[in-house]
Amino acid sequence: DAGITQSPRHKVTETGTPVTLRCHQTENHRYMYWYRQDPGHGLRLIHYSYGVKDTDKGEVSDGYSVSRSKTEDFLLTLESATSSQTSVYFCASSGEGGNQPQHFGDGTRLSIL
Amino acid sequence: AQKVTQAQTEISVVEKEDVTLDCVYETRDTTYYLFWYKQPPSGELVFLIRRNSFDEQNEISGRYSWNFQKSTSSFNFTITASQVVDSAVYFCALSLEGETSGSRLTFGEGTQLTVNP
Repeated sequence: DAGITQSPRHKVTETGTPVTLRCHQTENHRYMYWYRQDPGHGLRLIHYSYGVKDTDKGEVSDGYSVSRSKTEDFLLTLESATSSQTSVYFCASSGEGGNQPQHFGDGTRLSIL
Repeated sequence: AQKVTQAQTEISVVEKEDVTLDCVYETRDTTYYLFWYKQPPSGELVFLIRRNSFDEQNEISGRYSWNFQKSTSSFNFTITASQVVDSAVYFCALSLEGETSGSRLTFGEGTQLTVNP
């Protein structure tokens, strides 16, 4: 399995504060992804990266930004957190091609009060 | 845009029953890939299987089997002789071939399977 670690695993914060979630992979995968999981919606793609400094928006990108300065690290930032961003966030990585299965981190449970 | 629908939100069965999880997808692309993932109560996502759009062979792996039918845009998952350890949320997902898109996934809403002893 791809070694993917997410930090922190749990976070509680207040509305309006900035939040950064970190994803680290050890498989040298080109592609990395951030998803959020909410009841009734499955997982939805927030942003993804196809290389260092190369990122693009997913389905639910409003209110989120990302950065990838190294192959192994992919950061997700909520500039000013809102209660609607309370969710479980998953990071994933994959190799080349649409047929490559994604390997997921264990998730970050984020609560915004 | 592509879409994946898992119409069964929750299924409850008794151990040793067979159960089928339905997945219907929509895409205009001719090359695509279908996946099933399992999310046990511990919360991690576990890859189960991948199917290419040009390969309609069904697959069996132990108690698990998958039925891919392009004619009905379906990729159904059957568990034979279910066990309590099969209790989980199961997700069906779709990815397309693209130059810089990798395998970014469109997920269905998931089916919560509960297997009772």
